[in-house]
Amino acid sequence: EPEVTQTPSHQVTQMGQEVILRCVPISNHLYFYWYRQILGQKVEFLVSFYNNEISEKSEIFDDQFSVERPDGSNFTLKIRSTKLEDSAMYFCASRAPGRSNTEAFFGQGTRLTVV
Amino acid sequence: GESVGLHLPTLSVQEGDNSIINCAYSNSASDYFIWYKQESGKGPQFIIDIRSNMDKRQGQRVTVLLNKTVKHLSLQIAATQPGDSAVYFCAEQYSGGGADGLTFGKGTHLIIQP
Repeated sequence: EPEVTQTPSHQVTQMGQEVILRCVPISNHLYFYWYRQILGQKVEFLVSFYNNEISEKSEIFDDQFSVERPDGSNFTLKIRSTKLEDSAMYFCASRAPGRSNTEAFFGQGTRLTVV
Repeated sequence: GESVGLHLPTLSVQEGDNSIINCAYSNSASDYFIWYKQESGKGPQFIIDIRSNMDKRQGQRVTVLLNKTVKHLSLQIAATQPGDSAVYFCAEQYSGGGADGLTFGKGTHLIIQP
């Protein structure tokens, strides 16, 4: 069964450093998303991406965040200068064209720890 | 602000019994309501969704009910199994103005007791 793959599974970084979280969406999907989940809390929407541009972003997705689809398979989330409060699980998701917006497939997540 | 939330943080049921997980939402303009299951160490997994113009939808062992009058959503799981133990999130999606993201509730931890 096709799946969304995220790397690394766990990233530890020092405050102020840049991190790049990587995702390989399901191959025939065209809509891509990043969500985060702070420990013990709900999943929060960050950004959606379609046709090589951001289609929607939340208040959380400020100037410190950026997304990119550098090639035909990867989808990345960059945090330029990490803060302690950026510590969370980050989930990538993707969705096929022509399907309901709700049928998104999530990856296993990257646990980001900022120290 | 508007939000999606859950009434109970933890629900414990006996294996084989039916379970009902409830959710209250506040955005009456949402187009879809969705239930996700999250097992420990994994990402959310889609279970079932319901469009805002429906009041009931059934899947395999699951039924979602939508009551727009009181803005209430529920997930019924029939004949629960150990593998049903997980955190269940309700979520809503509003597609106005090209919006695309899901708004999740806080989650209910379902525990299936043997």
